[in-house]
Amino acid sequence: QQQVKQSPQSLIVQKGGISIINCAYENTAFDYFPWYQQFPGKGPALLIAIRPDVSEKKEGRFTISFNKSAKQFSLHIMDSQPGDSATYFCAASKGEKLTFGTGTRLTIIP
Amino acid sequence: KAGVTQTPRYLIKTRGQQVTLSCSPISGHRSVSWYQQTPGQGLQFLFEYFSETQRNKGNFPGRFSGRQFSNSRSEMNVSTLELGDSALYLCASKPGTSGDEQYFGPGTRLTVT
Repeated sequence: QQQVKQSPQSLIVQKGGISIINCAYENTAFDYFPWYQQFPGKGPALLIAIRPDVSEKKEGRFTISFNKSAKQFSLHIMDSQPGDSATYFCAASKGEKLTFGTGTRLTIIP
Repeated sequence: KAGVTQTPRYLIKTRGQQVTLSCSPISGHRSVSWYQQTPGQGLQFLFEYFSETQRNKGNFPGRFSGRQFSNSRSEMNVSTLELGDSALYLCASKPGTSGDEQYFGPGTRLTVT
């Protein structure tokens, strides 16, 4: 049973544009929602994370929007750069186990 | 601080063999989790250790096992390897007592032939 659904599977955005990746979860017990960035040949790197008591968190060009009632959260990358081209994973957890989305391959074109 | 380190980085094994992967967490981190990453199944949780005890386990067969040592280093063992075990095995660590931020290592790429 897939508990975290992520979309789109792939995304192409022009340099300087806004990249938006969406996730939806089913388990209302989840209380921690991180986003990871993964480059080829590397492990996932923690990008930004949010807890359900806030609706938005911003760190630099990266923003998480969280909608508890809809059980959805999204990652916004402002002023997208070619160096942002990577695979992005959303995740959710209650405790130690992270449940991951299926990933979004983001490509930023000049 | 040094990050999470995993050895070896690459491994080729034959079906039926067994393999042991090693993970050294970030200094001071007492929790170590293992994940399997494949193109078909994505990132899946294997198990988590804290203070040498397994606290959580994912839905993997008993061929997958692990342990943690007193210095928090962890090993993962897969016995009777199958072709479907080919994957990137990732280790993640976190302090274990507060916060949920998990930091991943570069992974071990296991190929079973």
